[in-house]
Amino acid sequence: AQSVSQHNHHVILSEAASLELGCNYSYGGTVNLFWYVQYPGQHLQLLLKYFSGDPLVKGIKGFEAEFIKSKFSFNLRKPSVQWSDTAEYFCAVQTGGFKTIFGAGTRLFVKA
Amino acid sequence: SQTIHQWPATLVQPVGSPLSLECTVEGTSNPNLYWYRQAAGRGLQLLFYSVGIGQISSEVPQNLSASRPQDRQFILSSKKLLLSDSGFYLCAWSLQGSTDTQYFGPGTRLTVL
Repeated sequence: AQSVSQHNHHVILSEAASLELGCNYSYGGTVNLFWYVQYPGQHLQLLLKYFSGDPLVKGIKGFEAEFIKSKFSFNLRKPSVQWSDTAEYFCAVQTGGFKTIFGAGTRLFVKA
Repeated sequence: SQTIHQWPATLVQPVGSPLSLECTVEGTSNPNLYWYRQAAGRGLQLLFYSVGIGQISSEVPQNLSASRPQDRQFILSSKKLLLSDSGFYLCAWSLQGSTDTQYFGPGTRLTVL
C-alpha cells in the first residue's frame, strides 16, 4: 500500500540551528510532492512543492526540499531556524488523480 | 481572495447520534472539494472528494457520507456516529482541473462519547 513516512514526530531545536525533516514514501510511479505547514492557530498551508525539473525546490520562509528519486525521499531543510518556525510539518505525496497521501506530521518546537 | 469556512469548530456528540459538518468556499467557482480526517498521531486521511455538484467519490468505506448540494458547499454526514469517528476533520479545496495545491479550512474537532 502507498504510504508516507515522516521520521520524527517531535523535534526541538534552538534558534539558529539547522533543520532537516525526513520524508520517505512508498510508490514506484510518478509522484507530486508537497510539504505543508500548520502554524499555531492557523490553517494548514503549502510550504513548497515539487512536480518536475530541478529536484531542489525552494519554498517560503527560507525552506527548501530535495527530491531524491532513488531513495524515495523528499526531505525538508532550513539552514537556520527561527522561533516563528514552530509549527507542525506534513509531507504529502500525490500519486495520481485526486489522492494525496499525508505523513503523520512532525511537530517542531524552536526555543528562543 | 478565496476563503474557506468550516463549522462547527468543535463538536461533542454521543455514540449513535447523527452528524453534519459543513464546509463552504468563497471566491472561486467550481472548485474540487475534499474531506480529510486526522486521528491523533496520524496523517490526514482522504475521506471524500468532489469535482462538481452531486459528484462524490469515496476513498474509505465507513459510516460517513458526503454531499455537495451547491457548487461551493460540501457536507459531511453520518446517520449514527461511532466512537472511532472521533478526530479532526478538515475540508480543503483546489482549483477545478488541478490536483495541485490544496487550501485547507480551520477544521472541526469531533469527539464522540
